[in-house]
Amino acid sequence: KAGVTQTPRYLIKTRGQQVTLSCSPISGHRSVSWYQQTPGQGLQFLFEYFSETQRNKGNFPGRFSGRQFSNSRSEMNVSTLELGDSALYLCASSPTGGITYNEQFFGPGTRLTVL
Amino acid sequence: AQSVTQLGSHVSVSEGALVLLRCNYSSSVPPYLFWYVQYPNQGLQLLLKYTSAATLVKGINGFEAEFKKSETSFHLTKPSAHMSDAAEYFCAVSDGEEKLTFGTGTRLTIIP
Repeated sequence: KAGVTQTPRYLIKTRGQQVTLSCSPISGHRSVSWYQQTPGQGLQFLFEYFSETQRNKGNFPGRFSGRQFSNSRSEMNVSTLELGDSALYLCASSPTGGITYNEQFFGPGTRLTVL
Repeated sequence: AQSVTQLGSHVSVSEGALVLLRCNYSSSVPPYLFWYVQYPNQGLQLLLKYTSAATLVKGINGFEAEFKKSETSFHLTKPSAHMSDAAEYFCAVSDGEEKLTFGTGTRLTIIP
């Protein structure tokens, strides 16, 4: 099975712009989560989608949004970029469908640099 | 709120020596605990997970961890370090939802 894929792998934007990142989960996985990784704040949970619905949300401003499509692929969008949004954005998928926790499989990440 | 604390942001061990990376958790409910490894410019790879089935958990690459409720700890060990173990290691906790809370990470350096 192919792993979690994220596109693009690297991105450079300027302040004020918006950006869309894409994540394709492992085939059959229905849950997709997004995390932000920075040297200062470490790994922080952004949100999780399951069956096209946001099921969990972290403590990020409304500039950060996401969605999930019927094929479980997910996108996250950051509007009005700030310098502090420079980070590695990681996507993870999980085969969850019930109440038992399933491990998350991470993609390689998208490194976003905001100038 | 759940949290994990990783003691030591940097750990150095000699090749062949014991690796011990410390993780303490804070959770009001029985937690799910994980150790992930991250190599440079890569995502996270799961080393092992605790989901209450057994207190001693064996993972990949010779790593294992023991869940100690009395000490609220989940330390990661490997009997003999290898150069390829050099990476950053993250302890994480979940209450059962697809939402991981990570520690600040420990960078492991292996001395030849």
